[in-house]
Amino acid sequence: DSGVTQTPKHLITATGQRVTLRCSPRSGDLSVYWYQQSLDQGLQFLIQYYNGEERAKGNILERFSAQQFPDLHSELNLSSLELGDSALYFCASSGPGQPYGYTFGSGTRLTVV
Amino acid sequence: AQTVTQSQPEMSVQEAETVTLSCTYDTSESDYYLFWYKQPPSRQMILVIRQEAYKQQNATENRFSVNFQKAAKSFSLKISDSQLGDAAMYFCAYRRINSNYQLIWGAGTKLIIKP
Repeated sequence: DSGVTQTPKHLITATGQRVTLRCSPRSGDLSVYWYQQSLDQGLQFLIQYYNGEERAKGNILERFSAQQFPDLHSELNLSSLELGDSALYFCASSGPGQPYGYTFGSGTRLTVV
Repeated sequence: AQTVTQSQPEMSVQEAETVTLSCTYDTSESDYYLFWYKQPPSRQMILVIRQEAYKQQNATENRFSVNFQKAAKSFSLKISDSQLGDAAMYFCAYRRINSNYQLIWGAGTKLIIKP
C-alpha cells in the first residue's frame, strides 16, 4: 500500500456519461496531481492541486474538472465521455514528508464503451 | 521550460546481462532532483532510484545505478544482472527542488528481458 488511495479501481461506462474519480493522498501531503495514461503511452499531466487550490494545469480538456477538498482528498470529474477518454488515470501526492518525489496511487482504469 | 528526453523507445537485453537506459534533460536550474520510475505490466508506478543534483556521487540501489553527468545534463540508468522481473516501462523524470512542483516526464523506454 503506497498510502495514496484511488477509487474505483475499474470503471466501465458509456459514451456521453459523466464519472468521478476519487483520490486520497498520503497523510500529510498537501499536493495532489492527476495524470492520464492511454494504452502504451507516457504520462500526460492533467492538473495539480495544493492545499485546496489549483496550482498547475496541463493538457486537461474542458470536459474534465477537478477539485481538492478541505480534507485534502481530490476528485477528478470527467463528463461527456468519449471512447478516446479510455485510459488509466493516476493520482499522486507529494509533501513535506517526502521531499524528493511523489507517491502514486494504483490508478483507476476507465473504459468508455 | 524544463524538458526530459528518452531517446530509446524500446530496449532488449539478455537475462543476467547489463543494460543502460538513456535520459537527457534541459533546465536552467542548478539544483533539482532526477528520478527513474518503473511501470511493470501491473501498471503500478514504482520509484526505482533518485539523484539529487547537488550530489556528485552517483546513486545506487542494489542492481540499479545511475550515471549522472550534470554538465552534459545526462542521467542514464544501468541495470546489472537483468532479471525477468525487470521487464517494464521505465520513465525518467525531473523535478525542481521544491517538493510541491510537478515532475517533468520523459516518454518512457520499454525494456524487454530475453530469457
